[in-house]
Amino acid sequence: QKEVEQDPGPLSVPEGAIVSLNCTYSNSAFQYFMWYRQYSRKGPELLMYTYSSGNKEDGRFTAQVDKSSKYISLFIRDSQPSDSATYLCATGFDYIPTFGRGTSLIVHP
Amino acid sequence: EAQVTQNPRYLITVTGKKLTVTCSQNMNHEYMSWYRQDPGLGLRQIYYSMNVEVTDKGDVPEGYKVSRKEKRNFPLILESPSPNQTSLYFCASSLDRGIEQYFGPGTRLTVT
Repeated sequence: QKEVEQDPGPLSVPEGAIVSLNCTYSNSAFQYFMWYRQYSRKGPELLMYTYSSGNKEDGRFTAQVDKSSKYISLFIRDSQPSDSATYLCATGFDYIPTFGRGTSLIVHP
Repeated sequence: EAQVTQNPRYLITVTGKKLTVTCSQNMNHEYMSWYRQDPGLGLRQIYYSMNVEVTDKGDVPEGYKVSRKEKRNFPLILESPSPNQTSLYFCASSLDRGIEQYFGPGTRLTVT
């Protein structure tokens, strides 16, 4: 079993929809939780990170962590075509993050 | 501009011909790391470095070498490349323990 599981998609939604992207992880000792966005032919860029259970909001993006269920979510409100990308979750220990395989999101006008 | 640069961006080579992919960051970050990204497998860490002269293996270190002689540079060396090392490679740096990593643009390597 991979340490971080993420459905590869693709997930296709209409513009304006609320998007929910999810990951599960297996190691309850993981210390931090991150979401990256990767556009085609580009390197990943960090969207958000957190150390604790609960919600963290940044503009249209909300990261949610439930440590008891080992579940990580990213919500995107009012999705835009420019949000079309692959979203990678990551978690882990100091110096050693483990990434999910990424979920491909397509937001169509 | 704060950035991580990698060179070359594209490389086609033959089995067994030694190559080096360079990585440089201008953010004075202590942590640097190399990843490979393959379809269906995602990003996997090859090596990381916590500081100058301090490196350690990631998930998939076999067939790779690294060195960290200067804070800003972290080259990836393939002494004898093989076709299974055909992949997209990313270098990344971070101020804090691998959290909030800044990634380079990637190097697409093909080994024939």
